[in-house]
Amino acid sequence: DAGVTQSPTHLIKTRGQHVTLRCSPISGHKSVSWYQQVLGQGPQFIFQYYEKEERGRGNFPDRFSARQFPNYSSELNVNALLLGDSALYLCASSLTADKETQYFGPGTRLLVL
Amino acid sequence: DQQVKQNSPSLSVQEGRISILNCDYTNSMFDYFLWYKKYPAEGPTFLISISSIKDKNEDGRFTVFLNKSAKHLSLHIVPSQPGDSAVYFCAATGANNLFFGTGTRLTVIP
Repeated sequence: DAGVTQSPTHLIKTRGQHVTLRCSPISGHKSVSWYQQVLGQGPQFIFQYYEKEERGRGNFPDRFSARQFPNYSSELNVNALLLGDSALYLCASSLTADKETQYFGPGTRLLVL
Repeated sequence: DQQVKQNSPSLSVQEGRISILNCDYTNSMFDYFLWYKKYPAEGPTFLISISSIKDKNEDGRFTVFLNKSAKHLSLHIVPSQPGDSAVYFCAATGANNLFFGTGTRLTVIP
């Protein structure tokens, strides 16, 4: 069975640009969560979507937005990129909205120059 | 404001011995605590969890202990194996959020 997949694996952008990251959950999973992991830190929660509705939002500016599609895949969008947005962006899926049983993808590594 | 803290960035243990990874938290409202293992170039993998109403959960070589009065939990791995070498994250759920610690890099020496 395929696990959580994310694309692209790596990305380089410049300040001020916009980026879209994609995530496909495990088949049958209806919840997708996004996390940002800055080097040397643990992952930080950005968003959770369950059944296409936002279920939770972390402490991130409005430049960060996300959505979930009818097939439960998800996109994370970041506008007006800053150098500090450079990080590993992780997607996790779960059957329900509970965060106790999440499965993480390998992440997208974003570098902002 | 870091609500989940792992104060040891690294730990080295001899193969066959016990590895003890520690985690402290500040929010008494957390309802579940989890440990994840992360290899390079992979996402975190769930290892073991414990509900806030319990004080111990065991799964094979892995045992998690929760001390609510001290707001402290620990992960015991025994016996440690070289394949256990990875970064271990402690995490806690609450307020519809999942809070991670900064991780501890475990190296098991053959």
